[in-house]
Amino acid sequence: LAKTTQPISMDSYEGQEVNITCSHNNIATNDYITWYQQFPSQGPRFIIQGYKTKVTNEVASLFIPADRKSSTLSLPRVSLSDTAVYYCLVGDSQGSARQLTFGSGTQLTVLP
Amino acid sequence: DVKVTQSSRYLVKRTGEKVFLECVQDMDHENMFWYRQDPGLGLRLIYFSYDVKMKEKGDIPEGYSVSREKKERFSLILESASTNQTSMYLCASSSNREMENNEQFFGPGTRLTVL
Repeated sequence: LAKTTQPISMDSYEGQEVNITCSHNNIATNDYITWYQQFPSQGPRFIIQGYKTKVTNEVASLFIPADRKSSTLSLPRVSLSDTAVYYCLVGDSQGSARQLTFGSGTQLTVLP
Repeated sequence: DVKVTQSSRYLVKRTGEKVFLECVQDMDHENMFWYRQDPGLGLRLIYFSYDVKMKEKGDIPEGYSVSREKKERFSLILESASTNQTSMYLCASSSNREMENNEQFFGPGTRLTVL
């Protein structure tokens, strides 16, 4: 199973760009990388998913280097409402859910 | 709008009691999952199901069982609750088995306390 490692916490200020890196050294060929966001007292919510290079949507960008051993979630111009826990998830496209591994999560705190 | 609901937001039970946590999704999803979430440990998969009456163990199945009699409903059962099962329990569903675009939709969670 591809284990993931993320920073436990990060602080930022409103309006700044935030980059959260996830390490997944044992990622397999078929694995995709997915990021979720979780607010207190709520279930996680899908943010973005990618396989290689760069993916961008209306919420975030995901950068994946050629070796795919890490990935970086980029949140542009964060606001106070982006304060949440962010999870990096690595999973097998053909396997069972047992191949899915949630990281321990990164607590992002956005300060005014 | 997609929706996953869980029967209770908060639950308090006593050691040894049998506990049922219910999860219902209205998206006609094939896959359903039960996780528990504890501080510092992230989300850990307990059981999952890819079809009615089908179940597979996750990473921490000990002390739990599940039931999926209908496609939309996935129940987590604690046969004899213990204090170390005090946790936040999260149910999720997704539309297909493959990872690409396999977004999991989560319920709000059930905070279970076992006294």
